[in-house]
Formats: sequence, C-alpha cells, structure tokens
Amino acid sequence: ERVMTQSPATLSVSPGERAILSCRASQSIGSNLAWYQHKPGRAPRLLIYAVSTRATGIPARFSGSGSGTDFTLTISSLQSEDFAVYYCQQYNNWPRTFGQGTKVEIK
Amino acid sequence: EVQLLESGGGLGQPGGSLRLSCATSGFPFSPCAMSWVRQAPGKGLDWVSTVDGSGDFTYYADSVKGRFTVSRDNSKRTLYLQMNSLRADDTAIYYCAKVASPARFFDSWGQGTLVSVSS
Repeated sequence: ERVMTQSPATLSVSPGERAILSCRASQSIGSNLAWYQHKPGRAPRLLIYAVSTRATGIPARFSGSGSGTDFTLTISSLQSEDFAVYYCQQYNNWPRTFGQGTKVEIK
Repeated sequence: EVQLLESGGGLGQPGGSLRLSCATSGFPFSPCAMSWVRQAPGKGLDWVSTVDGSGDFTYYADSVKGRFTVSRDNSKRTLYLQMNSLRADDTAIYYCAKVASPARFFDSWGQGTLVSVSS
C-alpha cells in the first residue's frame, strides 16, 4: 500500500499570503497524484490531477508540482473561500490512498 | 452538470446491514467507473470501493473486503453499496464519486450520506 503523508497538519495563513502544502508517497506513484479541497458539510472538490493540471473552473492561484514521491500544492494568495482541508491522493496503485489532510486556517 | 445524490444512510446495528444508493445524472453513466469514499468522524478521506463501468470488476479496501459489495444498475444510472456485518468503525459519511477516464482520480463527488453504527 502506498502511504501518503501530508505536512503540516495545520497551516495558519493570513488572507493574501501564500500557502505551501506538502505530500509524500511511501513509494513512487509516477504522476498519478490528485489534490482535493474539502469544507465541512460539502462535497470534496477536485483541484488538481496528474500532479499539476488544474481541474475545470479551478483558479490559477492553485498550482501543483513534484514527481515520484514528493509533491506540493501551492495557493499563491489565499482568499477567504480557500480556508478548508486539503487532501492529496494517489491513483497509481490499489488501494487508492489519501493523505491525512492539511487544514488551512485563518491566522 | 454532473449530479451525484447519495441515500440510504442512517442508524445500523452492529452486525447488521444497510444499503446505500447513489443516483446520478449529467454524464454518460455506463462507461464510467464509480467509487465510494468515506470519512469517519474527525478523520480524513478513506477510499472504500470502486466498480468499473460494466460492473464486472470491483475493488475493495481491506477493511471492508468480504463485508461490503459494490454494484451498479446502468439502466437506472445508480450505484450501490451493500454493507453487511456492520461494525462501529464503519460509522462515517459515505460519498459517491465519479472516476475520471482514462485517468483514475475522482472528478465529481456527491454530498454524502451519514451511516452510524451503534446498538
């Protein structure tokens, strides 16, 4: 099983600042990595797939990078609607696995 | 617009059964693989099961293998999850998710249905 480890668990950021979220896979997953945003009581939302491709309708302030085992989600200038929990997920191997999440909160 | 609407959640007894449904619209259902993902209280997202477009191929997390069965009725555009031998740690919000093709990430999600397992 590919274990996905996200850091930090919580990130305190002021609106307008940049947020950098990390995700590490226990073994190589190629480019088969996605990022999701999840707010309480809402459906999770796909942000990024194939490491760096933004999903339809996702603003350009969200960007993804990395390869192999180390990946990053960057939110260039946090807006109020961006405060949420973010999950990385690998879809290279069964079972599909998620990181434990990074909560981005208002500083 | 893709729409996924889960139903069937509620209170289940330990050792009992529940059947979840996910009604879909807004996309060609039969070619698309579909999945169930859950979130236990205070925890993160946890993949449960995936079924391919035909229903012939299914995949399960070890934690539910042998207890849960995923299926689909393409004529009704509906995904199912039969949950047997329920345990307290099955308590979670269960989300239905559409699997992108040919890539295999989850590109659309439902709002979820809450399953609580307690005596």
